[in-house]
Amino acid sequence: QSVLTQPPSASGTPGQRVTISCSGSNSNIGSNTVNWYQQLPGKAPKLLIYSNNQRPSGVPDRFSGSKSGTSASLAISGLQSEDEADYYCAAWDDSLNGWVFGGGTKLTVL
Amino acid sequence: QVQLVESGGGVVQPGRSLRLSCAASEFIFSNYGMHWVRQAPGKGLEWVAVIWYDGTNKYYGDSVKGRFTISRDNSKNTLYLQMNSLRAEDTAVYYCARDFRAAPEKAGGADLWGQGTMVSVSS
Repeated sequence: QSVLTQPPSASGTPGQRVTISCSGSNSNIGSNTVNWYQQLPGKAPKLLIYSNNQRPSGVPDRFSGSKSGTSASLAISGLQSEDEADYYCAAWDDSLNGWVFGGGTKLTVL
Repeated sequence: QVQLVESGGGVVQPGRSLRLSCAASEFIFSNYGMHWVRQAPGKGLEWVAVIWYDGTNKYYGDSVKGRFTISRDNSKNTLYLQMNSLRAEDTAVYYCARDFRAAPEKAGGADLWGQGTMVSVSS
């Protein structure tokens, strides 16, 4: 049972826009910034979004993040086949005094 | 190039110890906080531990608290994870990761990851 809650799966067709949600509480998302990671099959994770909505250099602007209250979302527009991956949200938790991850969402491009 | 390379994984019996290492290259290691993150086979990511840039602060996930110790040697550009009293549920790929903040509490993010090293705990 992960501290941050994500849907286990999401899907879309090429060109579509999909969103992935991440639900937390006042001690994590409600108080701190949210990061999103992308993990391609068989690869190490990659930082996709940091500080709720910032993209590291090299990440396409098709990827965007937002946060409201104790929830956050990752949006992917213009879906491409290479976006098929697992996506994880993460945040610092003030009660646990550590970082917590969501359970991950497997994105399938149909 | 800029990279992290983990080593030290393997098969170990329950109750025994293992030490993982993570060698950093081509960046100023002492400027960054560092994490260990693990992933059990077929499962999601689990944060294990973080250490400040200078080693002064360390935090651990509940599942490893009291058994695992994170440390670093900035003179050797190396991060460590000492794992004691290993259990079957510690079986996972262990990743080291660099945080873009020196003291990654409440904010930060792992912007550079190693390729991971597999730890299997089995009798």
